[in-house]
Amino acid sequence: GGIITQTPKFLIGQEGQKLTLKCQQNFNHDTMYWYRQDSGKGLRLIYYSITENDLQKGDLSEGYDASREKKSSFSLTVTSAQKNEMAVFLCASSAGTGGYEQYFGPGTRLTVL
Amino acid sequence: GDSVTQTEGLVTLTEGLPVMLNCTYQTAYSTFLFWYVQHLNEAPKLLLKSSTDNKRTEHQGFHATLHKSSSSFHLQKSSAQLSDSALYYCAPQYAGAKLTFGGGTRLTVRP
Repeated sequence: GGIITQTPKFLIGQEGQKLTLKCQQNFNHDTMYWYRQDSGKGLRLIYYSITENDLQKGDLSEGYDASREKKSSFSLTVTSAQKNEMAVFLCASSAGTGGYEQYFGPGTRLTVL
Repeated sequence: GDSVTQTEGLVTLTEGLPVMLNCTYQTAYSTFLFWYVQHLNEAPKLLLKSSTDNKRTEHQGFHATLHKSSSSFHLQKSSAQLSDSALYYCAPQYAGAKLTFGGGTRLTVRP
């Protein structure tokens, strides 16, 4: 088994601020994902990384940057926080890309003042 | 295009009644279909997955059959339990690593 750790659990920022969310996994998985969860809108993919040196934009990448520092870690940066970005950000990982289960972390709840 | 439609919003059932949550998807390139479940204050986790046409897949009392002819992967359970109250997501996987999650269906089971 393994675990996904997301830090911080709660993040409070000011509008216009640059904010970074971190994710670590010890599954030794190749693929990692960042999703945003808004009430009533499901999970929307922001960025994903198929392998350690890869970075792919998802459907909601505008306003975000991501970095795969090493195989076990994947960071997400909100480049300029906006009030309408208050949401839960979920990190996930999977062993591969073809039908593999995604394992999710507990999430970071972002509040923008 | 790539999209998925689920039973919208909130479904409320009485314990013991059958559960059916609908999922249809629109794409010619879908390879795998997933159902994820998210209980309150928990992370989403896999409930079911399938890639085989017309084959019933079961787990934890839930079942679903992928029908490629109708692009559907409806989630069913014969008898709802209080512990089934959760948010359910249908997610087709298209070419590559991406899953496209539906908007989610919140199931509330009452005594």
